[in-house]
Amino acid sequence: DAGVTQSPTHLIKTRGQHVTLRCSPISGHKSVSWYQQVLGQGPQFIFQYYEKEERGRGNFPDRFSARQFPNYSSELNVNALLLGDSALYLCASSSRDWEPLGTEAFFGQGTRLTVV
Amino acid sequence: LAKTTQPISMDSYEGQEVNITCSHNNIATNDYITWYQQFPSQGPRFIIQGYKTKVTNEVASLFIPADRKSSTLSLPRVSLSDTAVYYCLVGGGAPNSGAGSYQLTFGKGTKLSVIP
Repeated sequence: DAGVTQSPTHLIKTRGQHVTLRCSPISGHKSVSWYQQVLGQGPQFIFQYYEKEERGRGNFPDRFSARQFPNYSSELNVNALLLGDSALYLCASSSRDWEPLGTEAFFGQGTRLTVV
Repeated sequence: LAKTTQPISMDSYEGQEVNITCSHNNIATNDYITWYQQFPSQGPRFIIQGYKTKVTNEVASLFIPADRKSSTLSLPRVSLSDTAVYYCLVGGGAPNSGAGSYQLTFGKGTKLSVIP
C-alpha cells in the first residue's frame, strides 16, 4: 500500500506569488492535516480536514487556505508568499477525525518550499 | 495542550541504551503521551504512545511515573540509524473543542546523535 504522497517534492517561488501543494492520504484515510516545519523547529499545525470539512485551524494568517476533495486528497494554498513561508510542508493522514494521540498520524515526505 | 520540555540534544555510542526524558507538568487527566521520530527531510514517524506506567513495543519503551508529569523514552542498543530528532507530544484523549480536531503539537524535540 502506498503511504502519504505529496507533490511536488521541492518548489522555488518568488515573493508575492501563489503556491498550491498537494497531498494524497493513505487509502481509506479520511482525515488530512497540514503542518509547516521551519528549519530547526518542530512541525506546526496549519489545518485539519475530515470528510471535506475543516475540523481544525492553527495560528496561521488568512493567506493560508486548504480544501479536501471527494477522494480525500487535499490541497494547501498559500497566497502572497513571504520569505518566511520557506519551510517543509508536511501532510499527515489518519483514519478518523479525532482519536487519542498516537493512533497514528502518518506523515508524507513533505514539500520543501523556498521563497526567494 | 500541555507544554513539553526536552533536552535539545543528546549523544550516545552505538550499542548503548538511550533514555530521553520529557517534562510535562501541566498534563491533563485525558492526555496521552506520544513520541515521534523524524529523520532529516522526512515526515515524523510514530514510535510509541502511553497513558501511565510502562509501554513497550518492538522499537522502544515508554516509562511514565505515577504523577505523569514526566515520561522517558528508552531506546535499547541504539545504532547509527537511530540518529534523528525525537519529539514528545502530550494531548489527545478528548476532542479539543466543538466537533473535535486531530491536532498534534510538536515542541523543538531532542536531536539524538549516535556515535560509532
